[in-house]
Amino acid sequence: AQSVTQPDIHITVSEGASLELRCNYSYGATPYLFWYVQSPGQGLQLLLKYFSGDTLVQGIKGFEAEFKRSQSSFNLRKPSVHWSDAAEYFCAVVPGSSYKLIFGSGTRLLVRP
Amino acid sequence: EAQVTQNPRYLITVTGKKLTVTCSQNMNHEYMSWYRQDPGLGLRQIYYSMNVEVTDKGDVPEGYKVSRKEKRNFPLILESPSPNQTSLYFCASSTPGTGYGELFFGEGSRLTVL
Repeated sequence: AQSVTQPDIHITVSEGASLELRCNYSYGATPYLFWYVQSPGQGLQLLLKYFSGDTLVQGIKGFEAEFKRSQSSFNLRKPSVHWSDAAEYFCAVVPGSSYKLIFGSGTRLLVRP
Repeated sequence: EAQVTQNPRYLITVTGKKLTVTCSQNMNHEYMSWYRQDPGLGLRQIYYSMNVEVTDKGDVPEGYKVSRKEKRNFPLILESPSPNQTSLYFCASSTPGTGYGELFFGEGSRLTVL
């Protein structure tokens, strides 16, 4: 079945440490790819997006993501996490054959002082 | 300021009492959508609208209705709410340029049905 998978429900990192959140999708054609962040009590905000071209994309708040076609992955990274990055992160996909955004189930990031 | 505004932000109601959650956007977006968010399930699309008078079902439309009489407004109607509709609801809008994937979200409406 077509899906978006975020295998980690929770991740805890220390402030200042690096971060990688995983996302895999199972759609045939290269889809449009997105990462959203949801801070507590807030709506979702777009962090970054990939449509085509350079497979390493930069986003807001110092985040980046790399599209790997061979692995059907779009992992989110940040070199040094800040306490304010504690939030829930959603990977999302618009499959090439539709105009509908499909969300993963989310990864909750906790940041240790 | 570009924004999507939802009301009410919080609501407690009882089974069967009709309610409407309003959504308005000021970005002249053609596309609007409603999602519900439940723990462990991510966001699931309820209904969406490609433009005025054009609406379609998402993944979980049962128990909900929508209308799109004006471009800026997209209300979500629960004709006879049930406890399984207790959830956090988000309205969002977008334009075609990103395959409707670059969504602008409201702040959410937390609904409890007793």
